[in-house]
Amino acid sequence: QKEVEQNSGPLSVPEGAIASLNCTYSDRGSQSFFWYRQYSGKSPELIMSIYSNGDKEDGRFTAQLNKASQYVSLLIRDSQPSDSATYLCAVKGGNQFYFGTGTSLTVIP
Amino acid sequence: GAVVSQHPSWVICKSGTSVKIECRSLDFQATTMFWYRQFPKQSLMLMATSNEGSKATYEQGVEKDKFLINHASLTLSTLTVTSAHPEDSSFYICSARSVQANYGYTFGSGTRLTVV
Repeated sequence: QKEVEQNSGPLSVPEGAIASLNCTYSDRGSQSFFWYRQYSGKSPELIMSIYSNGDKEDGRFTAQLNKASQYVSLLIRDSQPSDSATYLCAVKGGNQFYFGTGTSLTVIP
Repeated sequence: GAVVSQHPSWVICKSGTSVKIECRSLDFQATTMFWYRQFPKQSLMLMATSNEGSKATYEQGVEKDKFLINHASLTLSTLTVTSAHPEDSSFYICSARSVQANYGYTFGSGTRLTVV
């Protein structure tokens, strides 16, 4: 079983819609959770981090964490074509840091 | 915010030659630097963990004699791909954890290596 799992997509949403990206993890002791965005040919950039159960909002982005169900999600409101990228979920537990394989998002104008 | 400077951005080299990639943490000290490789349309694959002043820790299946890592200071780590072959062509990315990034990983801009 992979440590961090994401649906590879591609996920397509129309411009202005809400994009929902999901991630599950296997290590129940994981403490820190991160979402990265990676444009094609570029390195990942950190979008959000979340550590506690519940929602964390930053602009158009909302991260949601449910430790009991071992999932973390990212919502992108008012999606823009510039949001088209691969989104990587990362989970830190102890000294280990694991990345999911990423979900490809396409926002259609 | 935390910045990791990586260069070169891209390099083309002949088969059999060696290529050195540098990563510097510009505004923080990186006692640990991570080196990843990413093939097209695939996820990041951790190659090795570089620790300042000590030997790097390599992931299973990564040849330590082929991918030489040096972390001589708190702000500089280098990856040397020795005797490169076309199958080594990939996107190499370094990263480090930082307080500025809420202890998440800050990535370098990546190095596109093409071996011909």
